[in-house]
Amino acid sequence: ETGVTQTPRHLVMGMTNKKSLKCEQHLGHNAMYWYKQSAKKPLELMFVYSLEERVENNSVPSRFSPECPNSSHLFLHLHTLQPEDSALYLCASSQDWTRDAEQYFGPGTRLTVT
Amino acid sequence: SQQGEEDPQALSIQEGENATMNCSYKTSINNLQWYRQNSGRGLVHLILIRSNEREKHSGRLRVTLDTSKKSSSLLITASRAADTASYFCATWKNNAGNMLTFGGGTRLMVKP
Repeated sequence: ETGVTQTPRHLVMGMTNKKSLKCEQHLGHNAMYWYKQSAKKPLELMFVYSLEERVENNSVPSRFSPECPNSSHLFLHLHTLQPEDSALYLCASSQDWTRDAEQYFGPGTRLTVT
Repeated sequence: SQQGEEDPQALSIQEGENATMNCSYKTSINNLQWYRQNSGRGLVHLILIRSNEREKHSGRLRVTLDTSKKSSSLLITASRAADTASYFCATWKNNAGNMLTFGGGTRLMVKP
């Protein structure tokens, strides 16, 4: 809907599973982001990639592992998650990693960890 | 406490009325942005106001920024049922990290 797509839209996984979230942007942007949105908490930035290089890692546990193989794709690899990791995971992109850059968000992946 | 806190947390109005949401922040900023989120979906950028600007308009939206009070307001005029959503302010802090920090949001319900 906004040029940023995310798959899957819903994911249920056990604590011992390994899964990956995928984000793709069709906007020709150079920066991509992962955010976590939990109930009753503000949106939290997890990772920022600019020109395929990670430029921010906002104190995220190692059970979340991002990957940016090219400027159009961003993955979030998940392993041995905890129930408290259940949340809406949002991907975003912007033209550049600058303070005036408008961020375009995908629809999110609703993750439930059982 | 967090940078960017919206007030009120929830607002319910009738269609046609105006809706005003406020955002306060704690440190100096370069710009402040407002986003809208429909239930369980991604965020949509609405408007950006820079620290040297005091007011900005976009269609039925009016945003003000008062850097002396470290606050911003978002006014939606002549509201419609389709405006029902959560609204977030986000700030880009000066010289302290390179990221947008979001507030907790205001949930707006516009009744037809």
